[in-house]
Amino acid sequence: DQQVKQNSPSLSVQEGRISILNCDYTNSMFDYFLWYKKYPAEGPTFLISISSIKDKNEDGRFTVFLNKSAKHLSLHIVPSQPGDSAVYFCAATDSWGKLQFGAGTQVVVTP
Amino acid sequence: NAGVMQNPRHLVRRRGQEARLRCSPMKGHSHVYWYRQLPEEGLKFMVYLQKENIIDESGMPKERFSAEFPKEGPSILRIQQVVRGDSAAYFCASSPQRTAAEAFFGQGTRLTVV
Repeated sequence: DQQVKQNSPSLSVQEGRISILNCDYTNSMFDYFLWYKKYPAEGPTFLISISSIKDKNEDGRFTVFLNKSAKHLSLHIVPSQPGDSAVYFCAATDSWGKLQFGAGTQVVVTP
Repeated sequence: NAGVMQNPRHLVRRRGQEARLRCSPMKGHSHVYWYRQLPEEGLKFMVYLQKENIIDESGMPKERFSAEFPKEGPSILRIQQVVRGDSAAYFCASSPQRTAAEAFFGQGTRLTVV
């Protein structure tokens, strides 16, 4: 039962351009959403989050948008840099601390 | 303040052996979560523990898997009689309270069953 879905397994973007990563969820009880970045052979590192009472949260080059009616969130990275090449996981929780993860999107930033 | 420490980083076991994975949470963190990542998949929740208590083990396989978080020492994820399908990366996360928002992940233990 995949409650968090990332339908794009990979994304290639030119350096300096915008990266847009998408995530859909099915459980209406989710009230907190997070994005993690993961390099090979390392653990996920927290990137940015958003509460269900908001529709946008911004932190430097990273912005997360939440559309509750569509059960959809997206992560925008502007401008994309080579160091952004990694796997990005969308995650959601219903406040009990247990995270439900998507399958991840591999981002490759090309020069 | 050291991060979440997991050891070993790599573990090779033959089918039928036992695997013990350790997780030392960040200082001051009393909540520990274990996740498993199978190849080409996202992380799947396994178990949530507080000191000396299992709070939620809804993601744990019913057999062969167990977890503990004793009063002293690291949290242990134990897999008995390992099979090839147990090969995965196992990640531990810790937080100071019951919220995913402040959870920090360790670097993981990659288990290979041969």
